[in-house]
Amino acid sequence: QKEVEQDPGPLSVPEGAIVSLNCTYSNSAFQYFMWYRQYSRKGPELLMYTYSSGNKEDGRFTAQVDKSSKYISLFIRDSQPSDSATYLCAMSAGSNYQLIWGAGTKLIIKP
Amino acid sequence: DGGITQSPKYLFRKEGQNVTLSCEQNLNHDAMYWYRQDPGQGLRLIYYSQIVNDFQKGDIAEGYSVSREKKESFPLTVTSAQKNPTAFYLCASSAMTNTQYFGPGTRLTVL
Repeated sequence: QKEVEQDPGPLSVPEGAIVSLNCTYSNSAFQYFMWYRQYSRKGPELLMYTYSSGNKEDGRFTAQVDKSSKYISLFIRDSQPSDSATYLCAMSAGSNYQLIWGAGTKLIIKP
Repeated sequence: DGGITQSPKYLFRKEGQNVTLSCEQNLNHDAMYWYRQDPGQGLRLIYYSQIVNDFQKGDIAEGYSVSREKKESFPLTVTSAQKNPTAFYLCASSAMTNTQYFGPGTRLTVL
């Protein structure tokens, strides 16, 4: 079993919908959680960063961490065609530890 | 403009040939990383370096080599020992935290 599980998709939704992307993990020591967005044939870019449990909001994006369930989510409100990309989750046990990556979920927003 | 540059963008390798991928950063980051990305598999760590003149193997180091002679530069050599080198290669750097910033990537194809 992988340490971090992420559904590869593709997930296809209509423009304007609320999107929910998720990762589950098995290592209870993980404390730092990140979401990266990767457009086709480009490098990933950091989207959201959270420490420990709770929610973090940035514009149309909300990152949620539930450590008791070992489950993290990224919500995208009012989705746009420009949000079409692969979304990668990453996490680590400490600030000086290596990141453990999910496989990425391909998201398609249909106009 | 601060950032990470990778060159070339596309690279073709013949059987039995070594090739070197360039990665340069002007972010003054101490740590640098090389990842390999294959379709549907997320990011796999090849090598990382936390300080000049020191580097460690990642999960898939066989068939690859690196050097870190300068803080700004972390070149990756794909040797002929790497039997399946066709992939998208990503370089990243971080300031001794777990937040990594990525370059645009190099797509390597074996002919």
